[in-house]
Amino acid sequence: NAGVTQTPKFRVLKTGQSMTLLCAQDMNHEYMYWYRQDPGMGLRLIHYSVGEGTTAKGEVPDGYNVSRLKKQNFLLGLESAAPSQTSVYFCASSYFYEQYFGPGTRLTVT
Amino acid sequence: EDQVTQSPEALRLQEGESSSLNCSYTVSGLRGLFWYRQDPGKGPEFLFTLYSAGEEKEKERLKATLTKKESFLHITAPKPEDSATYLCAVRTQGGSEKLVFGKGTKLTVNP
Repeated sequence: NAGVTQTPKFRVLKTGQSMTLLCAQDMNHEYMYWYRQDPGMGLRLIHYSVGEGTTAKGEVPDGYNVSRLKKQNFLLGLESAAPSQTSVYFCASSYFYEQYFGPGTRLTVT
Repeated sequence: EDQVTQSPEALRLQEGESSSLNCSYTVSGLRGLFWYRQDPGKGPEFLFTLYSAGEEKEKERLKATLTKKESFLHITAPKPEDSATYLCAVRTQGGSEKLVFGKGTKLTVNP
């Protein structure tokens, strides 16, 4: 089992550009999450999904969109990137309560 | 508002010097407290889940305990490979499947 994988690992964007981060899990988990991690701020929930076709807002959803068309995939989109979105992004999945995390995507917006 | 506070922010130990990390929480009904380990440049790795006061879990040199207001992660005779950031998170009655994370304790164990 690969667990939770994230694509890409690194990305540099210019302000105003768009991109999509892909998260995939092979554990048949119902729940999936997107977090961002910034120095001194800890992990903050952006959006999450409780099943295929569902999405919900987390603590810091502004500037991001998500989609869960397939159970194993959860996509995070940035329509118009801003320097404030420079961060490390983590995807996680869970069956019940314990969340399992991917390796992260380091995004820099210049 | 649900809050999770971890202390200290950073801790330096000598190899073999036992200590404890603290996670205090203010939540509206605890439905689980979780400990994670995070190595630099990697995602958090799940360690333990605790559900009720008095519960304890152990794994190698780590032991997690839970009271009604806080949790401790005890590290016995640590080794340099225990160096990492340890994160605490809680699941609450009003939070559904969401977790609220503390900011972590960065542990450094010197040989």
